[in-house]
Amino acid sequence: NAGVTQTPKFRVLKTGQSMTLLCAQDMNHEYMYWYRQDPGMGLRLIHYSVGEGTTAKGEVPDGYNVSRLKKQNFLLGLESAAPSQTSVYFCASSPDRGQPQHFGDGTRLSIL
Amino acid sequence: AQSVTQLGSHVSVSEGALVLLRCNYSSSVPPYLFWYVQYPNQGLQLLLKYTSAATLVKGINGFEAEFKKSETSFHLTKPSAHMSDAAEYFCAVRRVMEGSQGNLIFGKGTKLSVKP
Repeated sequence: NAGVTQTPKFRVLKTGQSMTLLCAQDMNHEYMYWYRQDPGMGLRLIHYSVGEGTTAKGEVPDGYNVSRLKKQNFLLGLESAAPSQTSVYFCASSPDRGQPQHFGDGTRLSIL
Repeated sequence: AQSVTQLGSHVSVSEGALVLLRCNYSSSVPPYLFWYVQYPNQGLQLLLKYTSAATLVKGINGFEAEFKKSETSFHLTKPSAHMSDAAEYFCAVRRVMEGSQGNLIFGKGTKLSVKP
């Protein structure tokens, strides 16, 4: 039972490069989330989705885009990476808005 | 506005001692509250949740938390710390504002160290 799987686990980018982080869940959950975690800041919500084909902005959406073309996948894109986007990114999913979220193991992204 | 405050970014206890991690929340409506644990290089795992049923909530690994409305608190406790409890702990409240879709607001986390 894989749960929530994030790809890649580590990545180093140069400023201005683009990349896409992939999140896949096998629990048939409707809701999916992207967070970033920075030291002393807790988790901050970037974007989320309440179902296939829907996306919405969270607390810190600037510089990121997302897509949910398939129910099981939620992609996070950085169009032009900046050093301020160096962080650990977590994807999560939940059956509905009242239920606990299940987290992936994170993607550690460094931007030089 | 809703918020979560975790008192103490670092807590250190001896093995076998009581663990107390503090969380205070701000919410204009009865909250849904959660505690998550994060082990090094891993994602967050749910420890326990409060959803307006019993005020004392038991979770995994011997942890429990008590919801106290009068104190707006949801502190996490464990009677006897084990070395394997060393991790970072996050308190979270479910956002209830219109249009929020019930997203979570996380505290900044408390790192628990356990000394032998």
